[in-house]
Amino acid sequence: GENVEQHPSTLSVQEGDSAVIKCTYSDSASNYFPWYKQELGKRPQLIIDIRSNVGEKKDQRIAVTLNKTAKHFSLHITETQPEDSAVYFCASRGGGYNKLIFGAGTRLAVHP
Amino acid sequence: KAGVTQTPRYLIKTRGQQVTLSCSPISGHRSVSWYQQTPGQGLQFLFEYFSETQRNKGNFPGRFSGRQFSNSRSEMNVSTLELGDSALYLCASSLSTGEETQYFGPGTRLLVL
Repeated sequence: GENVEQHPSTLSVQEGDSAVIKCTYSDSASNYFPWYKQELGKRPQLIIDIRSNVGEKKDQRIAVTLNKTAKHFSLHITETQPEDSAVYFCASRGGGYNKLIFGAGTRLAVHP
Repeated sequence: KAGVTQTPRYLIKTRGQQVTLSCSPISGHRSVSWYQQTPGQGLQFLFEYFSETQRNKGNFPGRFSGRQFSNSRSEMNVSTLELGDSALYLCASSLSTGEETQYFGPGTRLLVL
C-alpha cells in the first residue's frame, strides 16, 4: 500500500548548523511532495513543495531535493535558527485527488 | 483572505456519543480534505470532498462520515465514539481536487472519555 517513511524521528542541532530530513515513498504514481512544519499546538503549515518534474527547489534557507528513481526526497535547512524548532512532516500525493500520505514526522530542536 | 476555520476548537464527549465537526475553507476553495492526527498513528487521511461529492476515502470505519455543502463548507461526523477516536481532526482546503496545495485549519481537538 501507500507508505511514506521519514527519518530521523528526532534531530538536535546547534544554531547555525544545517539540518537534513529524508523521506522515502512507495507509490510510483506519486507526483507531488509537500513539506509541512507544525509548531506545538498549531496547524501544519506548508513550507515548501516539489513536483515530480523538478529535481530540486530552493526558498531562502530551505531546499528540497527529489530522486524519483530511488523514490527519495529530502528537506535541507541551512543556518538553522531557534524558531526552526518544530515537527516537520513530509508527504506524497498521487492519483489525481488530494489524498496526502504523511511521514511520521521529525522533531527538530535547534539549540542557541 | 481569511484562512481555513474549524469549529468547535475543543470538544469532550463520552463513549457511544456522536459528534459533528465543521470546516469552512478559504474563500474560493472548493475541495476540503479531512485528516486525523494522533501521537500513535500520525496524520492520516480520512476523506476528501469536492463539489459536494466524496472523491476519496481513507481506511477508516463507516462510523466516520462527512458531507459538503454547496458553499463548500464541510462537516464530518463520528458516530458511536470510541476512546481511540480522541485526536486532533484537521481539515485542509485547496482550490480544486487534484490541485496540490492544501492549507490546513487549526483543527478540532476531540477527547473521548
